[in-house]
Amino acid sequence: NAGVTQTPKFQVLKTGQSMTLQCAQDMNHEYMSWYRQDPGMGLRLIHYSVGAGITDQGEVPNGYNVSRSTTEDFPLRLLSAAPSQTSVYFCASNTGEGGTEAFFGQGTRLTVV
Amino acid sequence: LAKTTQPISMDSYEGQEVNITCSHNNIATNDYITWYQQFPSQGPRFIIQGYKTKVTNEVASLFIPADRKSSTLSLPRVSLSDTAVYYCLVGDLDTGRRALTFGSGTRLQVQP
Repeated sequence: NAGVTQTPKFQVLKTGQSMTLQCAQDMNHEYMSWYRQDPGMGLRLIHYSVGAGITDQGEVPNGYNVSRSTTEDFPLRLLSAAPSQTSVYFCASNTGEGGTEAFFGQGTRLTVV
Repeated sequence: LAKTTQPISMDSYEGQEVNITCSHNNIATNDYITWYQQFPSQGPRFIIQGYKTKVTNEVASLFIPADRKSSTLSLPRVSLSDTAVYYCLVGDLDTGRRALTFGSGTRLQVQP
C-alpha cells in the first residue's frame, strides 16, 4: 500500500495564480483532511471530509476549496494564491475507527511569490 | 478542546531514556491523549494514544496519572534517529477522527 500520496512535492506560484494540490489514499479511509504548517509551528486544519460528497471547514479555510467525489481523492484548490499561503501542506486520512490515529502524506511545500 | 503545554525543546544523548511531559489541566472526561512524532520534511506520525494509567507499544510508553491533568511520553534508549518534534494532542475520539489540534510541540535533539 502506498498510504497517503501528495503531489506535487514542491510548487512555486505567482500571486493570483490558482492551483490544485492532489491527495490520494489507498486505505479506503472515510475521513480525510488538509493541514498547513508554517515554519516552527504546529499544523492547522484547513478543511476536512467525513466521506465522499461531504466536506466541512476547519480552522483556516479562507482562500481554499475542497471537494470529495471519491473515497480515494481529496484535492485542495487555491483560488487566488497569496504570499500568506506560503506553507507546507499535509493531507491526512483516518479510518474513523481508531480514534486519533491519522496517516499523513509527505507534504507539499508551496511558495507564493 | 483542552489546551496543552509542553516544553519547547529537550536535549538528550544516545542510549538515554527521554521523558516528555505534557500538561492539560482542563482535559474533559471524553478526551484521549495522543502523541505524534514529526521528522523534518515529513508528515506527522502517530506514536501512541491513551486514556488513563499506562499504555505501551513497540515505540514508546505513555503514562497518565489518575487525575489525567498531565501525561508523559517515555522513549526508551533513544538514538539519533529519534531526533524529531513530538506533539501532545488532547481531544475526544469523534473530533479526533475529523480534526487534530496540534500545538508547537517539543523539539527533541539527540546527540551522540
